[in-house]
Amino acid sequence: GAGVSQTPSNKVTEKGKYVELRCDPISGHTALYWYRQSLGQGPEFLIYFQGTGAADDSGLPNDRFFAVRPEGSVSTLKIQRTERGDSAVYLCASSLTSGSSYNEQFFGPGTRLTVL
Amino acid sequence: AQSVAQPEDQVNVAEGNPLTVKCTYSVSGNPYLFWYVQYPNRGLQFLLKYITGDNLVKGSYGFEAEFNKSQTSFHLKKPSALVSDSALYFCAVREKTGANNLFFGTGTRLTVIP
Repeated sequence: GAGVSQTPSNKVTEKGKYVELRCDPISGHTALYWYRQSLGQGPEFLIYFQGTGAADDSGLPNDRFFAVRPEGSVSTLKIQRTERGDSAVYLCASSLTSGSSYNEQFFGPGTRLTVL
Repeated sequence: AQSVAQPEDQVNVAEGNPLTVKCTYSVSGNPYLFWYVQYPNRGLQFLLKYITGDNLVKGSYGFEAEFNKSQTSFHLKKPSALVSDSALYFCAVREKTGANNLFFGTGTRLTVIP
């Protein structure tokens, strides 16, 4: 079956611009996560959705970052006034309901964001 | 606070030899532990997890890992390495109570030499 998909696969933008990154989770997965992976590092948590609501946004670095999941499926990560330090691979993951919190997360291929 | 340490940035092993990728963790409560593998230009792929019960867990592609509570370790092992096992391996932890997100180590690059 289809896995988690993310678009675009690559995004190059200029400092100060606005970007949107999209994630399509596995059908039926109610939990959705965004992570950011910098070069040479492991993924770092940004935000977690359970259904339509952001259950935990404690990983968002500042108020330039925002994410939505209006219908409980597709999610969009939005970054305003991009900075060079935002350059990273942004990973999306989904899982079955996290009520059973040991459900493994399935990751998409990521969006590589480069801010010039 | 949660933390994961993967003390080796790089592990080299000859094809056919056993391999071990090390992971130690720190959590305030009981952990769920995971191993993921990342191939170039591909997403993280789940290998195995420890939830409870038997300390030795078996996963995909012949990998296994042993949970050691006293040493707070969860080392990944395989009896006989394949060249195709060459990839980046990440250990991750989450607390059984509390945050839902995974906390990852910095990764270990495994190279299997033919």
